Amino acid sequence: DSGVTQTPKHLITATGQRVTLRCSPRSGDLSVYWYQQSLDQGLQFLIQYYNGEERAKGNILERFSAQQFPDLHSELNLSSLELGDSALYFCASSVAPTPGEKLFFGSGTQLSVL
Amino acid sequence: GESVGLHLPTLSVQEGDNSIINCAYSNSASDYFIWYKQESGKGPQFIIDIRSNMDKRQGQRVTVLLNKTVKHLSLQIAATQPGDSAVYFCAEVGLGGSNYKLTFGKGTLLTVNP
Repeated sequence: DSGVTQTPKHLITATGQRVTLRCSPRSGDLSVYWYQQSLDQGLQFLIQYYNGEERAKGNILERFSAQQFPDLHSELNLSSLELGDSALYFCASSVAPTPGEKLFFGSGTQLSVL
Repeated sequence: GESVGLHLPTLSVQEGDNSIINCAYSNSASDYFIWYKQESGKGPQFIIDIRSNMDKRQGQRVTVLLNKTVKHLSLQIAATQPGDSAVYFCAEVGLGGSNYKLTFGKGTLLTVNP
């Protein structure tokens, strides 16, 4: 158990809908990262928050947004969903503000857009 | 495109043999490399890391080798066990814009035959 908790484990929805994925980092970790994993693209970095502030942005679509709350949990919001958004979404956490320290990953949320 | 890639998408070995998983990277400025293991239904799990000022690092049954001259990284697993069956990712940390980014390779599927 990595200590990172993601909910829900599975999510099935329709195109055009909006969903929210939730992540609770390990106790004491201030950084939260979101990654998207698909068969053809591998693990793609979406966005990072550190202590409530956006720290780095990767290949995140404008339809996607995230935030980190004062209790350090994070939410990833995906809107106007398309079939191609079906993927595994991982959250990871670390103590440091940079990814130079090893990340601890949650078990992921499997999103299926039908 | 991504700067980290893997030579072999799949690797099948016999239990007890040594396994070698290779990875190429193109960003010569990357200063930190990490190997992750991802088992089915789980998030990536940290295995071992290496800084760019080193060429070898050993862990328990695993060794990472870094060849900066040819920008090559390898993970060696000694006495491979069925529990080692998983997808293995190399990742590099380098400066991307104004922030450090952790970039993952596509992954190699290791299958250990009993």
